[in-house]
Amino acid sequence: ILNVEQSPQSLHVQEGDSTNFTCSFPSSNFYALHWYRWETAKSPEALFVMTLNGDEKKKGRISATLNTKEGYSYLYIKGSQPEDSATYLCASPGGTSYGKLTFGQGTILTVHP
Amino acid sequence: DVKVTQSSRYLVKRTGEKVFLECVQDMDHENMFWYRQDPGLGLRLIYFSYDVKMKEKGDIPEGYSVSREKKERFSLILESASTNQTSMYLCASSFGGFGTEAFFGQGTRLTVV
Repeated sequence: ILNVEQSPQSLHVQEGDSTNFTCSFPSSNFYALHWYRWETAKSPEALFVMTLNGDEKKKGRISATLNTKEGYSYLYIKGSQPEDSATYLCASPGGTSYGKLTFGQGTILTVHP
Repeated sequence: DVKVTQSSRYLVKRTGEKVFLECVQDMDHENMFWYRQDPGLGLRLIYFSYDVKMKEKGDIPEGYSVSREKKERFSLILESASTNQTSMYLCASSFGGFGTEAFFGQGTRLTVV
């Protein structure tokens, strides 16, 4: 089983703070790294799918970087807002082409007004 | 708007019952997945299907079976529900391939009493 780890497990920040969390994955046989956001009572939604070493992606105040050689990805949120409160999941497809994903445990972010 | 729809948001079943969780997608995706989510463990893959009538076990298939008679529909079956199957169940679909995102249903919170 592919080992995907996320840290921290949970995070509490104040509105306006910037924050970041980590996803680590095996650096050998890398294919892609996915980030999803899962808000309470909603479906998980894809934020980014990253495939290239050194890739940086941005969506509004959220950005992500990828280092495939050392096996980690960072997700950054600039100026956190209460609506950013969610569980953030990273996942890797490993070596299969069926889209089967192995997920990390998730980071639960709570942004306090 | 793309959609993955799960038949129930909440279900309460008795130990020993046979339980069916239904999932329908309208995106003509080849691949469909069933995950369960438990606190601190992230999403774990139960079964997936890469074509009609084709299925493969995921990481935790024990106590479950699946059915895919039509491309758009993927059912998860708990043959004899047990209390340790109390969980959040998520269905997902994708085109497959390493760089394609997964689309998720809203989840079914199953409680087995």
